[in-house]
Amino acid sequence: QQQVKQSPQSLIVQKGGISIINCAYENTAFDYFPWYQQFPGKGPALLIAIRPDVSEKKEGRFTISFNKSAKQFSLHIMDSQPGDSATYFCAASMHSGYSTLTFGKGTMLLVSP
Amino acid sequence: DGGITQSPKYLFRKEGQNVTLSCEQNLNHDAMYWYRQDPGQGLRLIYYSQIVNDFQKGDIAEGYSVSREKKESFPLTVTSAQKNPTAFYLCASSLAGGSSPLHFGNGTRLTVT
Repeated sequence: QQQVKQSPQSLIVQKGGISIINCAYENTAFDYFPWYQQFPGKGPALLIAIRPDVSEKKEGRFTISFNKSAKQFSLHIMDSQPGDSATYFCAASMHSGYSTLTFGKGTMLLVSP
Repeated sequence: DGGITQSPKYLFRKEGQNVTLSCEQNLNHDAMYWYRQDPGQGLRLIYYSQIVNDFQKGDIAEGYSVSREKKESFPLTVTSAQKNPTAFYLCASSLAGGSSPLHFGNGTRLTVT
């Protein structure tokens, strides 16, 4: 049973546009929601993360929006740039030290020049 | 530079052979993980270890084995029992489990023919 559903699978955005990737989770015990960015041939790297005590977190051009009642969270990339072209993974886990991350299936983002 | 080193970057094996993928970290992290990445499948957890000489199965452990004899090292053996071993394998580490950020290596692409 997939516990974190991510959409869309792929996304093409024009330079300067807004990229939006959505995730939904099922396990109400999850309380940590990170996003990872992966460039081709490289390992993923943590981009931004949020906990459910806030509804939004912004770091530069990247914003996570969190809706606890809907069990959904999303990544917004403002003023998207060609250098943002990568695969993005949402994930979720419990804060407990014995918990591991459950990842979504990923979104391939292409920002056209 | 602190980080995770995976070697080799590309590995080719014949069907029926066991193969061991190397993962070394110098971040002094307690927890280490192995993920498998297939196109459109996201990151799936194979095994993880939160302390030396202890490890737990992840979601897709069948056909794989690991050891954790040293804090810095977490090798993964892909055995001949793994039915579909061709994939991109990622090793990661974190300070602890739960909400500690994962630091990934740059992966090993294994091709079995």
